[in-house]
Amino acid sequence: EVQLVESGGGLVQPGGSLRLSCAASGFTFSTYWMSWVRQAPGKGLEWVASIKEDGSGRFYVDPVKGRFTISRDNAEDSLYLQMNSLRAEDTAVYYCVRQAGWRSYFDYWGQGALVTVSS
Amino acid sequence: DIQMTQSPSTLSASVGDRVTITCQASQSISSWLAWYQQRPGKAPKLLIYKASSLESGVPSRFSGSGSGTEFTLTISSLQPDDFATYFCQQYDSYSLTFGGGTKVQIK
Repeated sequence: EVQLVESGGGLVQPGGSLRLSCAASGFTFSTYWMSWVRQAPGKGLEWVASIKEDGSGRFYVDPVKGRFTISRDNAEDSLYLQMNSLRAEDTAVYYCVRQAGWRSYFDYWGQGALVTVSS
Repeated sequence: DIQMTQSPSTLSASVGDRVTITCQASQSISSWLAWYQQRPGKAPKLLIYKASSLESGVPSRFSGSGSGTEFTLTISSLQPDDFATYFCQQYDSYSLTFGGGTKVQIK
Protein backbone atom coordinates (compact mmCIF):
# COMPACT_ATOMS: atom_id res chain seq x y z
CA GLU A 1 0.00 0.00 0.00
CA VAL A 2 1.37 3.40 -0.98
CA GLN A 3 1.80 5.70 2.02
CA LEU A 4 3.04 9.28 2.20
CA VAL A 5 3.41 10.78 5.67
CA GLU A 6 4.31 14.44 6.11
CA SER A 7 5.89 16.00 9.18
CA GLY A 8 7.47 19.27 10.21
CA GLY A 9 4.53 21.64 9.96
CA GLY A 10 3.79 24.29 12.56
CA LEU A 11 3.64 27.97 13.43
CA VAL A 12 6.45 30.23 12.21
CA GLN A 13 6.92 33.99 12.16
CA PRO A 14 7.07 35.94 8.90
CA GLY A 15 10.59 35.82 7.52
CA GLY A 16 11.28 32.52 9.28
CA SER A 17 12.14 29.07 7.96
CA LEU A 18 10.64 25.61 8.16
CA ARG A 19 11.50 22.22 6.70
CA LEU A 20 8.83 19.74 5.75
CA SER A 21 9.58 16.03 5.43
CA CYS A 22 7.66 13.25 3.75
CA ALA A 23 8.28 9.56 4.43
CA ALA A 24 7.28 7.33 1.54
CA SER A 25 6.55 3.62 1.60
CA GLY A 26 4.80 0.94 -0.41
CA PHE A 27 6.46 1.73 -3.75
CA THR A 28 9.90 2.15 -5.32
CA PHE A 29 10.46 5.77 -4.35
CA SER A 30 13.51 6.30 -6.55
CA THR A 31 11.52 5.65 -9.75
CA TYR A 32 8.93 8.40 -9.33
CA TRP A 33 8.81 12.14 -9.72
CA MET A 34 7.56 13.68 -6.45
CA SER A 35 5.91 17.00 -5.67
CA TRP A 36 4.48 19.32 -3.06
CA VAL A 37 1.00 20.79 -3.49
CA ARG A 38 -0.49 23.30 -1.06
CA GLN A 39 -3.96 24.49 -0.12
CA ALA A 40 -4.55 27.74 1.75
CA PRO A 41 -7.42 27.62 4.28
CA GLY A 42 -10.74 27.47 2.44
CA LYS A 43 -9.03 27.85 -0.94
CA GLY A 44 -8.08 25.72 -3.95
CA LEU A 45 -5.03 23.65 -4.75
CA GLU A 46 -1.68 25.07 -5.87
CA TRP A 47 1.24 23.04 -7.18
CA VAL A 48 4.41 24.21 -5.41
CA ALA A 49 7.39 22.17 -6.64
CA SER A 50 8.41 18.94 -8.36
CA ILE A 51 11.61 16.90 -8.37
CA LYS A 52 12.85 14.32 -10.84
CA GLU A 53 13.43 10.69 -9.82
CA ASP A 54 17.18 11.16 -9.27
CA GLY A 55 16.94 14.74 -8.02
CA SER A 56 18.64 16.20 -11.09
CA GLY A 57 15.63 18.26 -12.20
CA ARG A 58 13.51 20.60 -10.08
CA PHE A 59 10.62 22.90 -10.96
CA TYR A 60 8.89 25.57 -8.87
CA VAL A 61 5.82 27.78 -9.04
CA ASP A 62 6.83 31.42 -9.47
CA PRO A 63 5.79 32.74 -5.98
CA VAL A 64 8.21 30.37 -4.21
CA LYS A 65 11.20 30.53 -6.56
CA GLY A 66 14.33 31.54 -4.68
CA ARG A 67 12.70 30.88 -1.28
CA PHE A 68 11.74 27.18 -1.33
CA THR A 69 13.94 24.20 -2.16
CA ILE A 70 12.65 20.72 -2.92
CA SER A 71 15.00 17.79 -2.35
CA ARG A 72 14.93 14.05 -1.84
CA ASP A 73 16.93 11.22 -0.29
CA ASN A 74 16.30 8.04 -2.26
CA ALA A 75 18.27 5.95 0.24
CA GLU A 76 15.83 7.03 2.95
CA ASP A 77 12.69 7.13 0.74
CA SER A 78 12.14 10.71 1.81
CA LEU A 79 11.08 13.98 0.23
CA TYR A 80 11.77 17.44 1.69
CA LEU A 81 10.70 21.03 1.28
CA GLN A 82 12.94 23.70 2.77
CA MET A 83 10.95 26.92 3.11
CA ASN A 84 12.79 30.19 3.80
CA SER A 85 11.67 33.81 3.99
CA LEU A 86 8.15 32.67 4.77
CA ARG A 87 5.24 35.02 4.21
CA ALA A 88 1.66 35.10 5.49
CA GLU A 89 0.47 33.98 2.06
CA ASP A 90 2.45 30.74 2.43
CA THR A 91 0.01 29.65 5.16
CA ALA A 92 -1.50 26.41 3.90
CA VAL A 93 -1.76 22.67 4.23
CA TYR A 94 1.17 21.21 2.31
CA TYR A 95 0.63 17.82 0.67
CA CYS A 96 3.36 15.42 -0.35
CA VAL A 97 2.26 13.84 -3.63
CA ARG A 98 3.49 11.19 -6.03
CA GLN A 99 3.47 12.08 -9.70
CA ALA A 100 2.66 9.48 -12.32
CA GLY A 101 5.54 10.83 -14.43
CA TRP A 102 7.19 14.03 -15.58
CA ARG A 103 4.58 16.73 -16.26
CA SER A 104 1.82 14.49 -15.00
CA TYR A 105 -1.06 14.04 -12.62
CA PHE A 106 -0.84 13.17 -8.92
CA ASP A 107 -1.88 9.62 -8.12
CA TYR A 108 -1.19 9.44 -4.37
CA TRP A 109 -1.43 12.12 -1.69
CA GLY A 110 -0.28 12.35 1.91
CA GLN A 111 -2.59 13.56 4.68
CA GLY A 112 -1.00 17.02 4.67
CA ALA A 113 0.98 19.21 7.07
CA LEU A 114 -0.30 22.61 8.20
CA VAL A 115 2.10 25.53 7.97
CA THR A 116 0.96 28.76 9.60
CA VAL A 117 2.96 31.94 9.06
CA SER A 118 1.94 34.54 11.61
CA SER A 119 3.42 36.86 14.21
CA ASP B 1 0.88 29.70 -17.21
CA ILE B 2 -2.19 27.83 -18.38
CA GLN B 3 -5.30 29.02 -16.53
CA MET B 4 -8.02 26.50 -15.64
CA THR B 5 -11.58 27.76 -15.12
CA GLN B 6 -14.19 25.53 -13.53
CA SER B 7 -17.94 26.04 -13.54
CA PRO B 8 -20.07 26.20 -11.61
CA SER B 9 -18.22 27.04 -8.40
CA THR B 10 -21.09 25.55 -6.37
CA LEU B 11 -23.73 23.07 -7.40
CA SER B 12 -26.75 21.89 -5.43
CA ALA B 13 -28.09 18.46 -6.27
CA SER B 14 -29.98 15.50 -4.86
CA VAL B 15 -29.07 11.84 -4.51
CA GLY B 16 -29.68 10.15 -7.85
CA ASP B 17 -29.18 13.30 -9.93
CA ARG B 18 -26.92 13.43 -12.97
CA VAL B 19 -24.24 16.05 -12.36
CA THR B 20 -21.90 17.72 -14.86
CA ILE B 21 -18.92 19.93 -14.02
CA THR B 22 -17.03 21.88 -16.66
CA CYS B 23 -13.35 22.82 -16.86
CA GLN B 24 -11.97 25.21 -19.48
CA ALA B 25 -8.29 25.68 -20.26
CA SER B 26 -6.86 29.01 -21.44
CA GLN B 27 -5.08 27.19 -24.28
CA SER B 28 -5.19 23.74 -25.78
CA ILE B 29 -3.94 21.00 -23.44
CA SER B 30 -4.80 18.05 -25.69
CA SER B 31 -6.12 15.40 -23.25
CA TRP B 32 -3.66 16.16 -20.45
CA LEU B 33 -6.31 16.69 -17.78
CA ALA B 34 -7.06 15.05 -14.44
CA TRP B 35 -10.00 15.28 -12.03
CA TYR B 36 -9.82 14.98 -8.24
CA GLN B 37 -12.39 14.65 -5.46
CA GLN B 38 -11.77 16.22 -2.05
CA ARG B 39 -13.97 15.51 0.95
CA PRO B 40 -13.86 17.98 3.89
CA GLY B 41 -10.70 17.65 5.95
CA LYS B 42 -9.22 15.03 3.62
CA ALA B 43 -6.57 14.94 0.92
CA PRO B 44 -7.68 15.02 -2.71
CA LYS B 45 -8.22 11.71 -4.47
CA LEU B 46 -7.53 11.04 -8.15
CA LEU B 47 -10.66 10.12 -10.14
CA ILE B 48 -9.83 10.59 -13.83
CA TYR B 49 -6.62 11.09 -15.81
CA LYS B 50 -5.93 11.77 -19.48
CA ALA B 51 -9.37 13.41 -19.64
CA SER B 52 -11.38 10.16 -19.70
CA SER B 53 -9.38 7.33 -18.10
CA LEU B 54 -10.92 6.10 -14.86
CA GLU B 55 -8.44 5.54 -12.02
CA SER B 56 -8.46 2.02 -10.61
CA GLY B 57 -11.05 1.57 -7.86
CA VAL B 58 -13.12 4.62 -8.80
CA PRO B 59 -16.83 3.85 -9.32
CA SER B 60 -18.01 3.73 -12.93
CA ARG B 61 -20.64 6.43 -12.28
CA PHE B 62 -17.76 8.89 -12.70
CA SER B 63 -16.74 9.71 -16.26
CA GLY B 64 -14.69 12.35 -18.01
CA SER B 65 -14.72 13.72 -21.54
CA GLY B 66 -13.28 16.46 -23.69
CA SER B 67 -10.07 17.54 -25.37
CA GLY B 68 -8.34 20.75 -26.35
CA THR B 69 -9.79 23.41 -24.07
CA GLU B 70 -13.18 22.08 -22.93
CA PHE B 71 -13.63 19.21 -20.48
CA THR B 72 -16.42 17.74 -18.38
CA LEU B 73 -16.70 15.49 -15.36
CA THR B 74 -20.02 13.67 -15.11
CA ILE B 75 -21.47 11.76 -12.17
CA SER B 76 -24.26 9.65 -13.62
CA SER B 77 -26.22 9.10 -10.40
CA LEU B 78 -25.09 11.14 -7.40
CA GLN B 79 -24.48 9.12 -4.22
CA PRO B 80 -24.20 10.37 -0.61
CA ASP B 81 -20.40 9.87 -0.70
CA ASP B 82 -20.13 12.16 -3.73
CA PHE B 83 -20.96 15.39 -1.90
CA ALA B 84 -17.51 16.92 -2.03
CA THR B 85 -15.37 19.44 -3.92
CA TYR B 86 -13.99 18.55 -7.34
CA PHE B 87 -10.87 19.98 -8.98
CA CYS B 88 -9.48 19.70 -12.48
CA GLN B 89 -5.73 19.88 -13.18
CA GLN B 90 -3.80 20.32 -16.42
CA TYR B 91 -0.46 18.68 -17.05
CA ASP B 92 0.29 19.85 -20.56
CA SER B 93 2.79 22.36 -19.14
CA TYR B 94 5.48 21.66 -16.51
CA SER B 95 3.86 24.49 -14.53
CA LEU B 96 0.99 22.34 -13.31
CA THR B 97 -2.22 24.23 -12.56
CA PHE B 98 -5.60 23.47 -11.00
CA GLY B 99 -9.08 24.79 -11.51
CA GLY B 100 -10.69 26.72 -8.67
CA GLY B 101 -12.94 23.85 -7.64
CA THR B 102 -16.63 22.94 -7.74
CA LYS B 103 -18.42 22.22 -4.49
CA VAL B 104 -21.26 19.71 -4.87
CA GLN B 105 -23.69 20.20 -2.00
CA ILE B 106 -26.98 18.69 -0.96
CA LYS B 107 -30.04 20.39 -2.40
